[in-house]
This record gives sequence, structure tokens and C-alpha cells, in this order.
Amino acid sequence: QKEVEQNSGPLSVPEGAIASLNCTYSDRGSQSFFWYRQYSGKSPELIMSIYSNGDKEDGRFTAQLNKASQYVSLLIRDSQPSDSATYLCAVKNDYKLSFGAGTTVTVRA
Amino acid sequence: DTGVSQDPRHKITKRGQNVTFRCDPISEHNRLYWYRQTLGQGPEFLTYFQNEAQLEKSRLLSDRFSAERPKGSFSTLEIQRTEQGDSAMYLCASSPQGFNQPQHFGDGTRLSIL
Repeated sequence: QKEVEQNSGPLSVPEGAIASLNCTYSDRGSQSFFWYRQYSGKSPELIMSIYSNGDKEDGRFTAQLNKASQYVSLLIRDSQPSDSATYLCAVKNDYKLSFGAGTTVTVRA
Repeated sequence: DTGVSQDPRHKITKRGQNVTFRCDPISEHNRLYWYRQTLGQGPEFLTYFQNEAQLEKSRLLSDRFSAERPKGSFSTLEIQRTEQGDSAMYLCASSPQGFNQPQHFGDGTRLSIL
């Protein structure tokens, strides 16, 4: 079992819709969770971090964490063409990040 | 805040050659990390420094790989006797000390082995 698994893509959504991304992790002791956005050929860019159960909102992004279910999600509201990218879920254990393979999102204009 | 800087951005070399990459972290960050990313995969952890001390190395880091961070500032990653399988994006990240501090990534060095 992989440490971090993300829902397989690609995910195509129309402009203005909600994109929903899911991630599960295997280490129950994990404490810190991050979502990174990666444009093609570029490096990962941090967009959200979440440490406690529940929801955390930042602009059009909402991260949700459920430690009992070992589940993290990211919602992108009012999706824009500029949101088209690969989204990486990362789980921090001690000092290192373990990443999922990413979900590629395409926003159709 | 100038961000994490990596050099070179691209490196093309022949199999068997040695290559060295450099990373300059965000100035106030004392933690520095190296990751490797191949196409269609998320980054994989390679090694971690706190100040000048290398505290962890992944089993992915074979004896052909060596990393240093003299004086706790910039870091170098050297690959000796490169192989085709070394072709990847090599990413450097840094963070301040602290349990929940996020890691910020540089633009990476893309290595291509001919």
C-alpha cells in the first residue's frame, strides 16, 4: 500500500464549477497535511496546509481533514482556467513529505 | 524573500559522467531537503539537512549520490557515474525549524542522461 494515494485523474470540470480532490494516507500518526499545485514543467507551489480535523478555507480553496478516516480533500470553488494543473497531496511525517502521484485538473472554458 | 534558488535549471550529460547541482535555500530557513520527481509521480524524499548536519538519507540515495551543506547555507547534490535511471527533476526545498512548518520548493534541476 502506498503511503499517500490520490484519486486518479485526470479531472475535467467546466469553468465556474467545483473541483473535488481526494487523498488518503496510511500512517495514522501523521500530523501535518499539505496541498501543492504544480504547473507542467514547474515546481510544486504550496496552496494549503491543514493540521486539525475539519475544514480550512482560503479564498476559493477549502481543505478538509478527517484523521479518523485518514482522509484529506481539497475543494476548488469557482474553478478558473488558471487552476488547470496537477494537485499534489503531501503528508508530513517527522521532517519529510510523502507525496501522492497527483491529480491533474483541467478547467474547460 | 527571494525564494529557493536552484542551479542549473537543466543539465544534459552522457551516461557515466558526474554532475553536481546547487541549492540556495530561503535565507532564514535552517532546514533543507532534496527530492526527486519523475514523470507522472509525486516528489520522493532523498535527504534532509538541519543546518550543516545531514540527518536522514533515503534508501533511494545510492552510494553514487552525495549531498553536502557546508556552513549550513547552500547545499550541493552530486551524482557520480550517472545512469539512465537518474533522469528526473531534482527538487530542493527549505523550511524554518518547527513542527508544522511547510516546505517551499525551488524551480528544480531537470537532469537528462543521454
